[in-house]
Amino acid sequence: NAGVMQNPRHLVRRRGQEARLRCSPMKGHSHVYWYRQLPEEGLKFMVYLQKENIIDESGMPKERFSAEFPKEGPSILRIQQVVRGDSAAYFCASSEGGLTNEKLFFGSGTQLSVL
Amino acid sequence: RKEVEQDPGPFNVPEGATVAFNCTYSNSASQSFFWYRQDCRKEPKLLMSVYSSGNEDGRFTAQLNRASQYISLLIRDSKLSDSATYLCVVREGGGSNYKLTFGKGTLLTVNP
Repeated sequence: NAGVMQNPRHLVRRRGQEARLRCSPMKGHSHVYWYRQLPEEGLKFMVYLQKENIIDESGMPKERFSAEFPKEGPSILRIQQVVRGDSAAYFCASSEGGLTNEKLFFGSGTQLSVL
Repeated sequence: RKEVEQDPGPFNVPEGATVAFNCTYSNSASQSFFWYRQDCRKEPKLLMSVYSSGNEDGRFTAQLNRASQYISLLIRDSKLSDSATYLCVVREGGGSNYKLTFGKGTLLTVNP
């Protein structure tokens, strides 16, 4: 499967723990986007990364959330000290060059549940 | 005002019915417009792009009115498999043209 791969599919954490969500973009894609979908809400942009660079993190909460896309390996969305309000579906998407008319390919998402 | 606003739904229609979804967007600098579908909290999948001249793909017709900042999707002869949440999506213009803004979605259930 050469699509966008996210893991884990489901992640359960207790309040105060850390959550790490992984995203491997499609082969040949160097642009990664993270979106969050809260229950009964639309997807909200969080962050846009290229290899080793954060291009736009305007949608990231100011605290506890961070993202990276290292030269080697998947993109990681990290949530420290999770709270119940972090429970959501987190979707990653990738594109080849970040151009206006490029199609984004979405992964299957990680469903985070905070107990 | 929400950036992308859709019919709240849900829509319940019998097989074979015609159903229309409406959407408005607030950013007049938006560049590109799409309809996505999402099944049971799975990943959103692109259904079709929306062009100013209007475009059709089989049973699906999309329209865009830039002056009114309005987008629509028409589904004719609906099938059971059309049951999903339909997302109106807008791509911003200018320096943020990589960013997609999603509406909350409208749930469609097609009944036998």
